[in-house]
Amino acid sequence: QKEVEQNSGPLSVPEGAIASLNCTYSDRVSQSFFWYRQYSGKSPELIMSIYSNGDKEDGRFTAQLNKASQYVSLLIRDSQPSDSATYLCAVNGRGGSSNTGKLIFGQGTTLQVKP
Amino acid sequence: SAVISQKPSRDICQRGTSLTIQCQVDSQVTMMFWYRQQPGQSLTLIATANQGSEATYESGFVIDKFPISRPNLTFSTLTVSNMSPEDSSIYLCSVGRQGEQFFGPGTRLTVL
Repeated sequence: QKEVEQNSGPLSVPEGAIASLNCTYSDRVSQSFFWYRQYSGKSPELIMSIYSNGDKEDGRFTAQLNKASQYVSLLIRDSQPSDSATYLCAVNGRGGSSNTGKLIFGQGTTLQVKP
Repeated sequence: SAVISQKPSRDICQRGTSLTIQCQVDSQVTMMFWYRQQPGQSLTLIATANQGSEATYESGFVIDKFPISRPNLTFSTLTVSNMSPEDSSIYLCSVGRQGEQFFGPGTRLTVL
């Protein structure tokens, strides 16, 4: 079982729709969860971090965390073609606090937003 | 966040040679890391670059193959030694700040 799992996609949504990206993780002691956006040929860019159960909103992005189900998701409202990218879920690895680094990444989900 | 630069941005190397990648940050940071992203794959942590001491390597990565230096709190280097085509990847440095991690632009390495 992979430590962090994502559906590789591609996930295709029409412009203006809500894109829903999902991630599950295997290590119950994980404390910190991150979503990165990676455009083709570019390095990952941090877009959301979440540490507590529930929802966290930032503009068009909402991260949702459910530690009991070991599940974290990212919702993108009013999707735009410029949102087309690979979205990487990352989880703080075993033995670490939020300050030790050691991120474990999922394989990423490719999102395509069609005009 | 942080402003992170890497040199070189890309290189094409012959097998058996070595390449040193530099990572420079615009301010002092405690945590610096080196990742590898193989073609079509996600990111894998190579090691944590510790200032003033030996780097901490992840399973599957060894110092002889990936020696790392961290002479101060703003700079680190990763060397890819005795390269083979399997080392063709993007190598990324990252810095940790307030529990979050930010990536440099990456070095795209092709080994022939």
